[in-house]
Parts: sequence; structure tokens; C-alpha cells
Amino acid sequence: SQQGEEDPQALSIQEGENATMNCSYKTSINNLQWYRQNSGRGLVHLILIRSNEREKHSGRLRVTLDTSKKSSSLLITASRAADTASYFCAVKMMDSSYKLIFGSGTRLLVRP
Amino acid sequence: KAGVTQTPRYLIKTRGQQVTLSCSPISGHRSVSWYQQTPGQGLQFLFEYFSETQRNKGNFPGRFSGRQFSNSRSEMNVSTLELGDSALYLCASSSKTGERTDTQYFGPGTRLTVL
Repeated sequence: SQQGEEDPQALSIQEGENATMNCSYKTSINNLQWYRQNSGRGLVHLILIRSNEREKHSGRLRVTLDTSKKSSSLLITASRAADTASYFCAVKMMDSSYKLIFGSGTRLLVRP
Repeated sequence: KAGVTQTPRYLIKTRGQQVTLSCSPISGHRSVSWYQQTPGQGLQFLFEYFSETQRNKGNFPGRFSGRQFSNSRSEMNVSTLELGDSALYLCASSSKTGERTDTQYFGPGTRLTVL
């Protein structure tokens, strides 16, 4: 079963606007990661936030983590048509393996 | 530095056959994980290997197996293929330090179609 549930399932915005995607999970985690996937290709790692961190930035990306609410959000600022893709959150549990449990993903469409 | 490579990229098989997929991790990475992606079930963890040992296994039938070689390259095998095994199979590798917070780097995937 999937740990991460994301919303919205789909998001359509105009180029230049900001896009916000949310992810919720069920149990304690070691870290949470966000990935991008273009048209059924491989996953591209975007950002990793550890359970003791609350916010992290990388370029136009801003990720927040609220462990009390077991939720995270990904904000993409000043979106571009090239940001069109599916975005997945993935949680890593507190065990020793590298296993990731993925959410269902948000399909983002950025209209030129 | 070369990324994670997977071969073949595309594969068509018929029901009942078996298939072997290969993954070469980033140089120096000792952990390799496999995931299955389908439209209905999304991304699901298959198994993870670290230094030739299976460390974790997802909830898949025994028809799905894997192994890792001493050079960290990994293979997964699916026997007695079923139509529902049609999926994108993704391999990911993680850095050599063994820290739990290491990022996973994914390959382009192998698209398996079972007819």
C-alpha cells in the first residue's frame, strides 16, 4: 500500500504562476523526497528533506515538512512549460534499508 | 559520472515466458533498488540489494526475484509472466556511504509488455 497520498491529482496552471503540491503520509519517517517524471520515463530526484528539517530550498523549488501533521508540500515558483511532468513524493522509513514508498503523484501541466 | 543504466529499454514477451532485466548503478554505489510502476498501482517497491545481500523485499509473489553481483550490478527476473506484469521497471542506486538519508538515483527504466 502507498504511504504517500498526494493532492491534487492533476494541476493545470499558466506559465509564470506558482504550483503547489501536497503529500501526506502515515507513519514516522527518516526523510521525504520529491521526484519528477516526464512521460513515463525515469524519475529525477528533486529534493530531500530530513525529518528534523522544516523547510528546504533548491532553485525555484521550496519544500516544507510538518512531521506533526505528517505532511509535506512542494512549491514550484515561476513555473515554465518545461516543468510539465508528474511529481511524486516518496518517504523513507526509519529502518536501515533504502526502500522508498511513493505517493500516487500529481500531474502538472504548465500552459505556455 | 555516468548515471544508472538499465537494459533493455523495451521488451515484449508473451504470457508464461520469463524475463531478466539488468541494472548498472552509478559507479561506487553499493545499493540497488527495484520498483514497478503501473497505471493502476503506481510505484511499488520490489526489492533492495546492498553489497550482494537482499535487505528488503516488497509484497510481490515469488515469481519476482533478483540478485546483485560483486560489482554492484543487479538483475531482476520475472518467471511465468502474466499480463499484469506489464509495467515500467525502474532501478535506483544510492551512494556508497550507506547513510540512510542518501539520495536514490533512478535509471530510465525498462518498459515490459506482456502479450
